Amino acid sequence: AQKITQTQPGMFVQEKEAVTLDCTYDTSDPSYGLFWYKQPSSGEMIFLIYQGSYDQQNATEGRYSLNFQKARKSANLVISASQLGDSAMYFCAMRGDYAGGTSYGKLTFGQGTILTVHP
Amino acid sequence: DTAVSQTPKYLVTQMGNDKSIKCEQNLGHDTMYWYKQDSKKFLKIMFSYNNKELIINETVPNRFSPKSPDKAHLNLHINSLELGDSAVYFCASSQKGTYGYTFGSGTRLTVV
Repeated sequence: AQKITQTQPGMFVQEKEAVTLDCTYDTSDPSYGLFWYKQPSSGEMIFLIYQGSYDQQNATEGRYSLNFQKARKSANLVISASQLGDSAMYFCAMRGDYAGGTSYGKLTFGQGTILTVHP
Repeated sequence: DTAVSQTPKYLVTQMGNDKSIKCEQNLGHDTMYWYKQDSKKFLKIMFSYNNKELIINETVPNRFSPKSPDKAHLNLHINSLELGDSAVYFCASSQKGTYGYTFGSGTRLTVV
């Protein structure tokens, strides 16, 4: 079974500053993918960034980067130059990519972190 | 064009009723999912279908029955609704071999 832990229920950041949202995971699968999603107050789930477990480089998408530390089983999201529109709930998620594993194809979410950006 | 569309967006119903939520995707994806988001915002997978075949069936009461008439549609029927079924239900789709998941906008179910 796989597990995702987000230990920060809420985070605050000043506009234009960078913020790191923590995510640790646990899995026995040799291959997996890590995701971050944003859920604004309107409720939709917005895909932000993906990191494969065998990717050598950390993923980046615009102002988002994923700080992947495989040995520590962490996949923190870094948002640079925060904007007011970044205020939302952020979810870390994992999918097992090993066909023989019980988590194959199943996207498992963490508890979420509410980010508030102050002007 | 909406990629993954769910209907209805809001559903208020009484305990004991039977209701359905419909989901359609026009992305050509081969796998579809139902997720439940509870009042604490926790998202948990319920079901997954790949090309109309059930591949993931989590520990969900058998009052919940998914139906996939074709790979573009995945409906969720709920019998004998209970107060605890109140939640936001998300439909999602993905294509095997790629990493993207696309979520619908959610259906907020309120059981009174």
